[in-house]
Amino acid sequence: AQKVTQAQTEISVVEKEDVTLDCVYETRDTTYYLFWYKQPPSGELVFLIRRNSFDEQNEISGRYSWNFQKSTSSFNFTITASQVVDSAVYFCALSEANFGNEKLTFGTGTRLTIIP
Amino acid sequence: SAVISQKPSRDICQRGTSLTIQCQVDSQVTMMFWYRQQPGQSLTLIATANQGSEATYESGFVIDKFPISRPNLTFSTLTVSNMSPEDSSIYLCSVSDGLNEKLFFGSGTQLSVL
Repeated sequence: AQKVTQAQTEISVVEKEDVTLDCVYETRDTTYYLFWYKQPPSGELVFLIRRNSFDEQNEISGRYSWNFQKSTSSFNFTITASQVVDSAVYFCALSEANFGNEKLTFGTGTRLTIIP
Repeated sequence: SAVISQKPSRDICQRGTSLTIQCQVDSQVTMMFWYRQQPGQSLTLIATANQGSEATYESGFVIDKFPISRPNLTFSTLTVSNMSPEDSSIYLCSVSDGLNEKLFFGSGTQLSVL
């Protein structure tokens, strides 16, 4: 069975600080996909990134970066120079790699509050 | 990217009634997914809906409680039947871009059952 653990329930940081959101996953599949989604107060889920299990390169997109370490089954998300607009609930998720079976197993989410 | 429209965006319902949630996608998709997000909780998959076949339900969810229709490749409905306060949640539909590159979500239906 697949499982995603986000141990940090809530994090608060002052604006402009860097913050890392942790994600640890469990799966018996050798091929899988990892995702991060942002859920702002308005409620919609915003796709941030997808990473497949064969691609362990870290990724940077503006102020966002992701560190995928297969050895520790972790896929952590860092926001650099945080802004108030980053305040949201962030979900890490895992899916099987079967085409046409993209159902997601979500972590419990981390509520991030950026203090102005 | 897929644009997903969900209706209604929110509703307040009486115990024992049923509500049908609609999900419309602006492009043809093979599979659509229905998720539930209980207050303050994560998202849980209810079922996967294929066009032309019965939906596949996850453990803990049954067709009698959550009947799903998928009449074509751009539309699906989820009905929450015989509602109780425990059904108060956000219900979201989701589609894939077909390559497992991205999974898009509708804006959700916030359901409150009195």
